[in-house]
Amino acid sequence: QVQLQESGPGLVKPSGTLSLTCAVSGGSISRTKWLSWVRQSPGKGLEWIGEIYHSGSTNYNPSLRRRVTVSVDQSKNQFSLELTSMTAADTAVYYCATTYCTTPSCEIWYFDLWGRGTLVTVSS
Amino acid sequence: DIQMTQSPSSLSASEGDRVTITCRASQTVSDYLNWYQQKPGKAPTLLIYATSSLQGGVPSRFSGSGSETDFTLTISSLKPDDIATYYCQQSFTAPWTFGQGTKVEIK
Repeated sequence: QVQLQESGPGLVKPSGTLSLTCAVSGGSISRTKWLSWVRQSPGKGLEWIGEIYHSGSTNYNPSLRRRVTVSVDQSKNQFSLELTSMTAADTAVYYCATTYCTTPSCEIWYFDLWGRGTLVTVSS
Repeated sequence: DIQMTQSPSSLSASEGDRVTITCRASQTVSDYLNWYQQKPGKAPTLLIYATSSLQGGVPSRFSGSGSETDFTLTISSLKPDDIATYYCQQSFTAPWTFGQGTKVEIK
């Protein structure tokens, strides 16, 4: 059974950079379509941050594009999030998630597996 | 971006009641609309995808309907285990967006 586990610092200083990793266990990351990061804060609900295909192609939320990088390391079976210039507004629970495509074209898809989430607080 | 608006933001109903949650998109999403359930302290889990397809293992009291911009999630007979927050999410065009959530409580 495939499982996801986020790891990273729980506290980031204002203007600092957040680096999170999502470890995939129980299955190969190369068999997964898109790998996403989603965050949840009390003020903004669920917000999709960005995604990466196992080959390396990426899509980002335009609202965060200037500050976000998602990368994948197939050798370690994990993918990562980097978010720069952190402010209090970036305080949230960060989830990694995988996409399941019901067809080869991935026209119909959904987030099927999620990590437990990790709380990141921005504070000095 | 496509804005997703859910109503109501919260509701309180009795066990056995029929519960309806609506989700409205700011522009058409065809039928590319998913519903998730989130319990406190947990990650969301998929209930329904593509408007009306029930995810495996999800009780049949959950159903979805709609098209284009207006969608509905219905719980035919509310159970205590259904206490959660429900989110719609459009998978039509990036950036993928979620509704703000509907918190369901039992009276």
